[in-house]
Amino acid sequence: DAGVTQSPTHLIKTRGQQVTLRCSPKSGHDTVSWYQQALGQGPQFIFQYYEEEERQRGNFPDRFSGHQFPNYSSELNVNALLLGDSALYLCASSLVIPRGGSQATGELFFGEGSRLTVL
Amino acid sequence: AQSVTQLGSHVSVSEGALVLLRCNYSSSVPPYLFWYVQYPNQGLQLLLKYTSAATLVKGINGFEAEFKKSETSFHLTKPSAHMSDAAEYFCAVSVYPQGAQKLVFGQGTRLTINP
Repeated sequence: DAGVTQSPTHLIKTRGQQVTLRCSPKSGHDTVSWYQQALGQGPQFIFQYYEEEERQRGNFPDRFSGHQFPNYSSELNVNALLLGDSALYLCASSLVIPRGGSQATGELFFGEGSRLTVL
Repeated sequence: AQSVTQLGSHVSVSEGALVLLRCNYSSSVPPYLFWYVQYPNQGLQLLLKYTSAATLVKGINGFEAEFKKSETSFHLTKPSAHMSDAAEYFCAVSVYPQGAQKLVFGQGTRLTINP
């Protein structure tokens, strides 16, 4: 059973460029979340995708956008890169918790991340 | 809004000693709480979680945590540290928007084990 896979693992871009990061969720999962982890910080929620729509969004500018495909995989796009966008980008997958369900926590499974360096 | 504060960005203990990593949370609704571990150049792995059942939660690798509502705390402990426990540890609180899960993380605590 493959876990969450992300690509590329490392990449270097220059300011102003655009980047696309990819994520394949754990088998059986239908929801993908993206987190940004700056050096020495905890991960910060960017957004979450379910049924090919953005369901929730954190405090990130519109330069950050995403997409979810019918096979549940997802992409994170960042436009007009800034030096401050340098970080580890983590993808996490989960199952949607049914409405009215109890005890289910929709545990997140994380990938190993894509490390982006902006020069 | 939910938030998490981890007291101590760095903790150092001797091998075999007690490990105590502190986490305090703020939440306007009953929280779901988590501890994750991150080894160098890797993603996050779930250690344990509190989901409003037992207040003492046991996780993997001998770790456990106790939910104390009166103290708004969820500290992580391990009776005897092992060299392989050296890693970054993150406490997180979950939010339940629209039935899906979003985590709010603390800043992390780097645990060093001295031989």
